[in-house]
Amino acid sequence: EAGVAQSPRYKIIEKRQSVAFWCNPISGHATLYWYQQILGQGPKLLIQFQNNGVVDDSQLPKDRFSAERLKGVDSTLKIQPAKLEDSAVYLCASSLDLQDRGTDTQYFGPGTRLTVL
Amino acid sequence: KNQVEQSPQSLIILEGKNCTLQCNYTVSPFSNLRWYKQDTGRGPVSLTIMTFSENTKSNGRYTATLDADTKQSSLHITASQLSDSASYICVVSDNAGNMLTFGGGTRLMVKP
Repeated sequence: EAGVAQSPRYKIIEKRQSVAFWCNPISGHATLYWYQQILGQGPKLLIQFQNNGVVDDSQLPKDRFSAERLKGVDSTLKIQPAKLEDSAVYLCASSLDLQDRGTDTQYFGPGTRLTVL
Repeated sequence: KNQVEQSPQSLIILEGKNCTLQCNYTVSPFSNLRWYKQDTGRGPVSLTIMTFSENTKSNGRYTATLDADTKQSSLHITASQLSDSASYICVVSDNAGNMLTFGGGTRLMVKP
């Protein structure tokens, strides 16, 4: 079974530039999550989707971050404009169904490491 | 505010030794607690998941315990191997399973 795919793996940009990350979840997984993980810290949830609908985006800095999952499969996360403090690893995860989230396992992708100079 | 605190922040042990990582949480109401292993440059991988009624669960050399009364969990690693070097993250779900609270992780280094 293929895992969660993310690209690019690494990205270096200057502040005020824009950047986009792509995630392809495990086939058949209805729920998709984007996390931000700053070095030395645990992941922080940015947004979660159930199919193509947003379930929770309460911690997404909406003035600069946006995410979409138009067809309920792939997802993109965009930052515009980037700030120095956005330097982090952006993890995408998927699980079968939000309804089973209480005991449902999330499968994580390898992440995209963003460095903002 | 829901919080998950892990200790120690980092740990160095010799290959073959045992170690125990701690996780204290204030998430309420509680649904389940998970331990993840995150290798450098990789996404987290699930090791164990325990619900309220479970107080221990094993996955190979990894054994997790849960005390729901004191809101504490531990992850015990037996006969450590170099490949155990990673960050270990404790994650707690609320009663509806709708909110996950992540701990900051314990960075373990196993030396030969």
